[in-house]
Amino acid sequence: AQSVTQLGSHVSVSEGALVLLRCNYSSSVPPYLFWYVQYPNQGLQLLLKYTTGATLVKGINGFEAEFKKSETSFHLTKPSAHMSDAAEYFCAVSPPQGGSEKLVFGKGTKLTVNP
Amino acid sequence: DGGITQSPKYLFRKEGQNVTLSCEQNLNHDAMYWYRQDPGQGLRLIYYSQIVNDFQKGDIAEGYSVSREKKESFPLTVTSAQKNPTAFYLCASSIVFGPWEQYFGPGTRLTVT
Repeated sequence: AQSVTQLGSHVSVSEGALVLLRCNYSSSVPPYLFWYVQYPNQGLQLLLKYTTGATLVKGINGFEAEFKKSETSFHLTKPSAHMSDAAEYFCAVSPPQGGSEKLVFGKGTKLTVNP
Repeated sequence: DGGITQSPKYLFRKEGQNVTLSCEQNLNHDAMYWYRQDPGQGLRLIYYSQIVNDFQKGDIAEGYSVSREKKESFPLTVTSAQKNPTAFYLCASSIVFGPWEQYFGPGTRLTVT
């Protein structure tokens, strides 16, 4: 069975600092990987996804993530945090075979951006 | 504008009452999902449907029921058998085949007292 671990339920950074949100997965085959963002009392919005090909994936709002098979990781980064980045971020994984119902979410990391 | 709508945004009910949450999508997606979100727990799958008139239990289906009579609609009923129904409920949809990303509605916050 697949699983996703997000290290750190809360991360705090200063405005302009690097954002690094960690995600590790366990899967017997290289999976599809996703990052979602959720603002308070709203639904989830897809930030970026990795399926195949280039391992460095760029998403919306200046975020990017790198798939590292050897480390089973898919960490999310942004060079310079903005106040508007304050939200909760979810990493998710699904197998390359099988149905969409197998999308598994991590427990989320809440990002705080300090002025 | 294509997307998923959930109504209402906030819902209050008394204990012992059934309540139905609405989810409609105009993305022409075959698959639809219901998730429950509690603080610090991430998203937990309640039910999903990949085709009209068919649906499957997810990880926490007890105390919930669904129907899928139309491709666009996937209502969720929270029954009185659900022991702890107060939560944020999210509906999502996706194509069945492909990269499997799911698109989410804005959510319904249900409070039962």
